[in-house]
Amino acid sequence: AQKVTQAQTEISVVEKEDVTLDCVYETRDTTYYLFWYKQPPSGELVFLIRRNSFDEQNEISGRYSWNFQKSTSSFNFTITASQVVDSAVYFCALSEGNYGQNFVFGPGTRLSVLP
Amino acid sequence: NAGVTQTPKFQVLKTGQSMTLQCAQDMNHEYMSWYRQDPGMGLRLIHYSVGAGITDQGEVPNGYNVSRSTTEDFPLRLLSAAPSQTSVYFCASSETLRPYEQYFGPGTRLTVT
Repeated sequence: AQKVTQAQTEISVVEKEDVTLDCVYETRDTTYYLFWYKQPPSGELVFLIRRNSFDEQNEISGRYSWNFQKSTSSFNFTITASQVVDSAVYFCALSEGNYGQNFVFGPGTRLSVLP
Repeated sequence: NAGVTQTPKFQVLKTGQSMTLQCAQDMNHEYMSWYRQDPGMGLRLIHYSVGAGITDQGEVPNGYNVSRSTTEDFPLRLLSAAPSQTSVYFCASSETLRPYEQYFGPGTRLTVT
């Protein structure tokens, strides 16, 4: 069965600190997708990144970077020089299945960035 | 395009009442789904549909019914609301050929007293 673990329930950092959010997944499929979503206090889900199982290249987008390691089944997310606007709940998710649309979400990590 | 829309945004029900959460998309997506979000548990799949006339159960289907009579609409029905159904509900849609591009609605916050 597929499963996503985000061991960090809550993290607090001071503005400008770097922070890494951990995500560990379990799946028996060889083809799958991994995602990160941001949920700000307003409640909507904001898509951040998608990575398929055949693409292990790390990615950087501005202050955000992602480290995908199949050997450890991890897909970690780092925010460099955090800002107050980064305060949100962050979800890691995995999709597989016949059509690949059914997502399994981790429990989320609440990040608070203090000024 | 409006994307995925959900109504209402907020709802308070008494135990035993019934109601329907509405979800509509204008992107001609074949796939639609409903998730519930509870504190500390992330989002969990309730029901999904791969096209008009076809629905299936997700991880937590009990207490909910769905139907898909059109491509655009995928309503979620609570026949007899229970306090355990207090949650935030998200609807999502995607193309069958691009299942990884999920579009989420803004959510409906439901409280059952």
